[in-house]
Amino acid sequence: AQSVAQPEDQVNVAEGNPLTVKCTYSVSGNPYLFWYVQYPNRGLQFLLKYITGDNLVKGSYGFEAEFNKSQTSFHLKKPSALVSDSALYFCAAMYNFNKFYFGSGTKLNVKP
Amino acid sequence: GAVVSQHPSWVICKSGTSVKIECRSLDFQATTMFWYRQFPKQSLMLMATSNEGSKATYEQGVEKDKFLINHASLTLSTLTVTSAHPEDSSFYICSARRRGPGGNQPQHFGDGTRLSIL
Repeated sequence: AQSVAQPEDQVNVAEGNPLTVKCTYSVSGNPYLFWYVQYPNRGLQFLLKYITGDNLVKGSYGFEAEFNKSQTSFHLKKPSALVSDSALYFCAAMYNFNKFYFGSGTKLNVKP
Repeated sequence: GAVVSQHPSWVICKSGTSVKIECRSLDFQATTMFWYRQFPKQSLMLMATSNEGSKATYEQGVEKDKFLINHASLTLSTLTVTSAHPEDSSFYICSARRRGPGGNQPQHFGDGTRLSIL
């Protein structure tokens, strides 16, 4: 069955340091992969997506993600974290051009 | 672009009341809209997928008669929680996919509706 895993419930990082939020997906088919961010009491905001092509995808607010087919991973990264990046991050995979499968979410805490 | 408006943002009502939540794509046509439910500190649970002009497809375990979905146009979908009870209290989020070529369009989300049933 298709699934998306975010192994870390929470990630803590100091402001200015690089951050990584991990995501792995099941290998059934070739999914499209997405990252979203959610602030308290808000919906999800689209950050970036991987469809095909270059494994390193650049998105909004300085975020990027690296697609690794051999490890079935799509980790979210940012070279220098900001306090304002603190939020809940969701990885998602889309199969069959329609249905999204979301990971369980990772809470990112960036401390000044 | 790709703005999705969800209304209302917060509802508090008595048990037994029916509540309607609207989801509108403001600047694009949405072939498909999705309704999710999110419990505190948990991920989004897909409730149903609705395509304009056709019946919604509900996920397993979601009661069709309890959660009525109408997708009357390419820019509007509504979710009605009928005879709501305290266990229906949750955060409901809609999303919409833009009409366009290819199958890789991301979903664009509304800001959610916090439903509290007393």
